[in-house]
Amino acid sequence: QVRLQQWGAGLLKPSETLSLTCAVFGGSFSPSYWNWIRQSPGKGLEWIGEITPSGSANYNPSLQSRVTMSVDTSKNQFSLKLISVTAADTAIYFCARGFPGDTAIIGLSYYYYYYMDVWGKGTTVTVSS
Amino acid sequence: DVRVTQSPSTLSASVGDRVTITCRTSESISSWLAWYQQKPGEAPKLLIHKASTLESGVASRFSGSGSGTEFSLTISSLQPDDFATYYCQQYKSYYSFGQGTKLEMK
Repeated sequence: QVRLQQWGAGLLKPSETLSLTCAVFGGSFSPSYWNWIRQSPGKGLEWIGEITPSGSANYNPSLQSRVTMSVDTSKNQFSLKLISVTAADTAIYFCARGFPGDTAIIGLSYYYYYYMDVWGKGTTVTVSS
Repeated sequence: DVRVTQSPSTLSASVGDRVTITCRTSESISSWLAWYQQKPGEAPKLLIHKASTLESGVASRFSGSGSGTEFSLTISSLQPDDFATYYCQQYKSYYSFGQGTKLEMK
């Protein structure tokens, strides 16, 4: 049974850097993708980005200029950094596993589709001066 | 990017009712849609993926249908534990979520 445990600073001042880490317990780091999502009253659930076990990352274009994700496979951990935070970044941040449980054959190619089946409990991050 | 529109935003119902929540996407996503249930103070919980595939351990009163751009989640007979907020999410092109439907007790 895969479990995600996340941690990081919960109170930041404007212009500081948000830093969160998520550890994976009870399962293999591969072949899943590892995601960060945030939830705020104003914007609902917003996908921040994903990272593969090999370290390849994709980010939400709306946050791409400020986001960096990294992975440490030796510790089964992945991390999120968001620079230059403002009050608009106040939210609950979740980590989640993107599991390649769905597949499709298109032409001669085989594709995997990743849905989020395991989530961390969330970390409340408040940005305030 | 794929936009996801969910309706209604709030739904009032009673135990035993059959309820349906609708999700529309701005472009065809085939069946790459998931439904989640979220209770206050908790993370979203996966109910359904691939539009209609029930996640292991989820009660059979939950069902999903649809493909292309129109999808629905149906709860056949509401139980007290089902009062929560429900979200749909497309995962054909990265991820995007609906705005949520709060299912409240009438």
